[in-house]
Amino acid sequence: SAVISQKPSRDICQRGTSLTIQCQVDSQVTMMFWYRQQPGQSLTLIATANQGSEATYESGFVIDKFPISRPNLTFSTLTVSNMSPEDSSIYLCSVAIYYNEQFFGPGTRLTVL
Amino acid sequence: KQEVTQIPAALSVPEGENLVLNCSFTDSAIYNLQWFRQDPGKGLTSLLLIQSSQREQTSGRLNASLDKSSGRSTLYIAASQPGDSATYLCAVLTGNQFYFGTGTSLTVIP
Repeated sequence: SAVISQKPSRDICQRGTSLTIQCQVDSQVTMMFWYRQQPGQSLTLIATANQGSEATYESGFVIDKFPISRPNLTFSTLTVSNMSPEDSSIYLCSVAIYYNEQFFGPGTRLTVL
Repeated sequence: KQEVTQIPAALSVPEGENLVLNCSFTDSAIYNLQWFRQDPGKGLTSLLLIQSSQREQTSGRLNASLDKSSGRSTLYIAASQPGDSATYLCAVLTGNQFYFGTGTSLTVIP
């Protein structure tokens, strides 16, 4: 298994600002993912974070809005840019080794006013 | 595109009852299926992982089965407890992407 931490655990932000969420894993992993979970809904994949190269974004998500970094095999950041109330969600980081079992971080609860 | 459905969306049972949660998927070409538990406002906790070549996995009071050909998985919870109250999600790995169901919200009444 893998132990994943996320910072911050929650935040309340003003419209138009940006927030960077950090994801730290206790071991080297091949795959890191960022998901969004809107209230009362299931998970939606935002992107796959690739080490040393640009992230792979899913349909409906763009790099300008959700820039992602992954400088090494244990750390990634997701930035939510120019936020609006529609961005209020739980943001979740997950990891997997060669597309096998997934493990999730505790999530970041974001509220945009 | 893979679609994952979980029925029922919500379930309420008295403590001590055995129960079954269902997960259906449309594309049987999966590599694995994973069951998760999510407490309100929290991340997901992995419960069981079933590889495509396996039929079932067990962990304590939990048993998950997989019928790939019919596109179904069940999570059996024995002797339910109030601490089992949470949302349960299933996810399948198809191609190079994980697809999640919408979850079943379980309430176990003391």
